[in-house]
Amino acid sequence: AQSVTQLDSQVPVFEEAPVELRCNYSSSVSVYLFWYVQYPNQGLQLLLKYLSGSTLVKGINGFEAEFNKSQTSFHLRKPSVHISDTAEYFCAVSSFDTGRRALTFGSGTRLQVQP
Amino acid sequence: NAGVTQTPKFQVLKTGQSMTLQCAQDMNHEYMSWYRQDPGMGLRLIHYSVGAGITDQGEVPNGYNVSRSTTEDFPLRLLSAAPSQTSVYFCASSRADGGGEAFFGQGTRLTVV
Repeated sequence: AQSVTQLDSQVPVFEEAPVELRCNYSSSVSVYLFWYVQYPNQGLQLLLKYLSGSTLVKGINGFEAEFNKSQTSFHLRKPSVHISDTAEYFCAVSSFDTGRRALTFGSGTRLQVQP
Repeated sequence: NAGVTQTPKFQVLKTGQSMTLQCAQDMNHEYMSWYRQDPGMGLRLIHYSVGAGITDQGEVPNGYNVSRSTTEDFPLRLLSAAPSQTSVYFCASSRADGGGEAFFGQGTRLTVV
C-alpha cells in the first residue's frame, strides 16, 4: 500500500516570492512521483515527474521538485511565483511493481498568490 | 488532438436514478481509470482497467460499475445514485509503460439531490 501526505492545505504567498509545497509519501516498494496542477473548473495537468535518475526534476512554468529517498519527500518549489500560479496542486505516486498504473493522490495544496 | 474526452460536463440526478458517465481516449493507451474528487480529499480511485476486457476495483468502488469493451472507451455507471455520490469525476488514461503518467479529462460535475 502507498500513501501521500501534503502537509499544507493552503499556502498564501505574495507575487514574486518563492514558494515550497511539501509532499511526503509512504510505500513499501519503489515509486514514481508526480506533481499535477488543477486550475479552477479544469482537469489535472502534469507539472513534472520523477521516474529515475537525477533527483532534481524541472517541470513546466518554472516549477521544480527534488526527490529525497531517505526522507521520502518530493517537495515542489518555484523561486518566484505569479498571480497565474494560483491553483490547486496535487502530489501523486504510482508503484513500479504491479500491473496497476493507478495514482495515489495527496489531498492537495491550494496556492493563493496575492498581489 | 482530443486526448481524454468526458461527457457530460454537468449532471443533476435524483436519488435512485441511474446514469452512465462516458470517457473516451484517442491515444491508444492501455490503462484507464476513474477517480472522484471531493473537497479536502484529493482524488480517489474508483475503478481501473489495464486493457480491453479487464477491469478491477480501486479504493472506493461501491455503487459504481465499469466495463471496457474497447481500448478507447471506459464508461462509469452509477447504478442507483445517492447524495454521497455528489462529486467531480475524472477519467484518466496512461500507457502501460509510461511511468504511470496520466492524462485527465476535464471532469464531470455530478449532483445527486
